[in-house]
Amino acid sequence: NAGVTQTPKFQVLKTGQSMTLQCAQDMNHNSMYWYRQDPGMGLRLIYYSASEGTTDKGEVPNGYNVSRLNKREFSLRLESAAPSQTSVYFCASSEGNGGGEKLFFGSGTQLSVL
Amino acid sequence: AQSVTQLGSHVSVSEGALVLLRCNYSSSVPPYLFWYVQYPNQGLQLLLKYTSAATLVKGINGFEAEFKKSETSFHLTKPSAHMSDAAEYFCAVSVRDKLIFGAGTRLAVHP
Repeated sequence: NAGVTQTPKFQVLKTGQSMTLQCAQDMNHNSMYWYRQDPGMGLRLIYYSASEGTTDKGEVPNGYNVSRLNKREFSLRLESAAPSQTSVYFCASSEGNGGGEKLFFGSGTQLSVL
Repeated sequence: AQSVTQLGSHVSVSEGALVLLRCNYSSSVPPYLFWYVQYPNQGLQLLLKYTSAATLVKGINGFEAEFKKSETSFHLTKPSAHMSDAAEYFCAVSVRDKLIFGAGTRLAVHP
């Protein structure tokens, strides 16, 4: 079982460059999420999609955009990368979004912005 | 606003010793609470969750957590640590359709 698949696993960007992080899940889940993980700060929610066709801002949305392409795929785009966006990014999915839901995580994308 | 505080960013125990990782939450409504574990270079995995059915929740790998409303706590315990328990542990609270994480506690287990 693939679960949640993220690509790429590693990426180095220069300040001002753009890129898209891809995420796909094969569990027929309705909800998908993007988190960033920084030392000492845990995971912070960037954007989420409660269902196909909807997206909402999380705690730290500035500098990011998302697209829920279909039920399976949820991409995160950095239009103009900044060093403050150096982080590990995790995509996650859950069956629903009513609270109490188990999240399934991908293995992460380590992004460095120089 | 709902939030989670994990006391101690690093905890070190001997193999076979008790593991106690502390988590306090604030919530204006009865919360859903979770513990997730992250092994090196991996994503997070669910250890256990509290959804009001029982105050003592048992999870995978011998871990359990007790919900104490009076103390607003949800501490994670394991009677006897194993070397394979070395990882980072995150407490989280569910807020409507979002999960809010604590800062994490890195557990080291030494022989």
